[in-house]
Amino acid sequence: GQQVMQIPQYQHVQEGEDFTTYCNSSTTLSNIQWYKQRPGGHPVFLIQLVKSGEVKKQKRLTFQFGEAKKNSSLHITATQTTDVGTYFCAGENAGGTSYGKLTFGQGTILTVHP
Amino acid sequence: GAGVSQSPSNKVTEKGKDVELRCDPISGHTALYWYRQRLGQGLEFLIYFQGNSAPDKSGLPSDRFSAERTGESVSTLTIQRTQQEDSAVYLCASSLRGRGPYEQYFGPGTRLTVT
Repeated sequence: GQQVMQIPQYQHVQEGEDFTTYCNSSTTLSNIQWYKQRPGGHPVFLIQLVKSGEVKKQKRLTFQFGEAKKNSSLHITATQTTDVGTYFCAGENAGGTSYGKLTFGQGTILTVHP
Repeated sequence: GAGVSQSPSNKVTEKGKDVELRCDPISGHTALYWYRQRLGQGLEFLIYFQGNSAPDKSGLPSDRFSAERTGESVSTLTIQRTQQEDSAVYLCASSLRGRGPYEQYFGPGTRLTVT
């Protein structure tokens, strides 16, 4: 079945440093979504990418979708303590029979030291 | 407006007992998902309902797990003869419709502890 791998599992940074998490799918994706889960909270949608090679920015966050639509990345510039949490990617399998079903990566836990 | 709600927020049960978890999706959302999240882990897909289509049950870990949904409203996840490894947070999410891409809105989850 489809697998979505995310690295690194953990990342500790000093406030102000940059952070990147990478997501790789075993199958081609029709789209990929990113979610953030604060400690003790539930996942909250950040963004979705649909087109091959797409790049989207949200303030200090930059999201990329690979040309082959099998990988994606999230980059945070100049981290702040409010960025703390777990970042998940979630992909929908292209050509899958269960439309709308997302496979989540294991997440990257980001810790920001002030 | 109201988001996805789940009840109970916490449930402690003895091994071997049955539990029922409830999810109220956002009104108008035709797709509903159940996930399991063990401590410090990712989201494990359990089951997916989309409108009147047959649910995708491919993620249910055993026949002790079942779920129902009435139309496009409330869903219940039932775990029979609970085991300690069932301890986790059970998250429900809904989205506008299954054929994506549509973002999923998550509820606060039910924390299940099996003693």
